[in-house]
Amino acid sequence: GAVVSQHPSWVICKSGTSVKIECRSLDFQATTMFWYRQFPKQSLMLMATSNEGSKATYEQGVEKDKFLINHASLTLSTLTVTSAHPEDSSFYICSASPGTDSYEQYFGPGTRLTVT
Amino acid sequence: AQSVTQLDSQVPVFEEAPVELRCNYSSSVSVYLFWYVQYPNQGLQLLLKYLSGSTLVESINGFEAEFNKSQTSFHLRKPSVHISDTAEYFCAVSVPGSARQLTFGSGTQLTVLP
Repeated sequence: GAVVSQHPSWVICKSGTSVKIECRSLDFQATTMFWYRQFPKQSLMLMATSNEGSKATYEQGVEKDKFLINHASLTLSTLTVTSAHPEDSSFYICSASPGTDSYEQYFGPGTRLTVT
Repeated sequence: AQSVTQLDSQVPVFEEAPVELRCNYSSSVSVYLFWYVQYPNQGLQLLLKYLSGSTLVESINGFEAEFNKSQTSFHLRKPSVHISDTAEYFCAVSVPGSARQLTFGSGTQLTVLP
């Protein structure tokens, strides 16, 4: 149980285009989902926290107009990188937390974004 | 705010040898502690966690970690490693009552050598 999927697993796009990444909790309802960014050989940096049906809370330094997060249902959150540039190339990982009393996060397999 | 320090960025060890991956944290309040493992080009998998109770926690694949409140540490140990244990290991903390956000350490690359 507690499986989280991400789609796509990798994507290459041209500079200036937008890319949408989906994060789904497959066998549980996720009241909260998190989006992380990971640079090579580095740790995960939290980008934003989203609760179903409400606006995402972005971490300091993360541009909310560039990284659009939508958490429309209890099983789906999307991250859209708008007007992508090469510096946005990274590994994006989502996680989902079930219920209000759970402190566990279940991580998706990640999405490798390369902007050319 | 919380912070997590993983003192060793890389730990090479021979197969069947013991290993310890160090993790120290800083927090003004009580925390929950986690160890996650990441295999190449994959997401993170929960290895073990400490929420309360016994300070020694174990995973199903032979790893264990001990919460030491006085030393603010949560070191990960395994008495005998396998080639398949080669991965990146992340220590993380979460604050009870918070928005369940995790603060991660910088990670330790464990490489098991034949």
